[in-house]
Amino acid sequence: AQTVTQSQPEMSVQEAETVTLSCTYDTSESNYYLFWYKQPPSRQMILVIRQEAYKQQNATENRFSVNFQKAAKSFSLKISDSQLGDTAMYFCAFMKPADKLIFGTGTRLQVFP
Amino acid sequence: DAGITQSPRHKVTETGTPVTLRCHQTENHRYMYWYRQDPGHGLRLIHYSYGVKDTDKGEVSDGYSVSRSKTEDFLLTLESATSSQTSVYFCAISSRSEDYGYTFGSGTRLTVV
Repeated sequence: AQTVTQSQPEMSVQEAETVTLSCTYDTSESNYYLFWYKQPPSRQMILVIRQEAYKQQNATENRFSVNFQKAAKSFSLKISDSQLGDTAMYFCAFMKPADKLIFGTGTRLQVFP
Repeated sequence: DAGITQSPRHKVTETGTPVTLRCHQTENHRYMYWYRQDPGHGLRLIHYSYGVKDTDKGEVSDGYSVSRSKTEDFLLTLESATSSQTSVYFCAISSRSEDYGYTFGSGTRLTVV
């Protein structure tokens, strides 16, 4: 069975600084997808970034980028130029093709002015 | 513009009473899911549906049942609510056509007293 581990329950960063959230996963599959979701205080689940395992290039979305290390089964999220609106819970998630999303336990990120 | 809505948004109920949460989608997606979110556990899958009247259990299905009589509606029922079912419940939809992850509803906060 696949598992997703987020070892940092809470993190904090100062506005305009860079922060990296960690995620590791366990699977015997070679083809899969990885996601980072953001959950602000509004409770809405927002897709931040998506990575396909067969693509070596790391995904980027504006200030958000990932460091995908397939051999190490690691999928960290880097947030550059942190903004107050980045304050949220962040979930890492794994999915085999056409299967169910499996989530980590989340990292609560606080951005300070 | 939400293609998925959940109702109610909040509910307080007494132990032992039946509760039904509703998820409605306008995207005509085949797959629908119910997750619960609890601190320290992330989101865990309760039940899912892969078509009208086609449902299956997730990892935390005990105490819950589901029904899907129409493509657009997926109901989650707690037959006899317990305090351990106090949680935030999320519905999600997916077409699985391109594995872009799921679209989530805004959640229902259920408190069982």
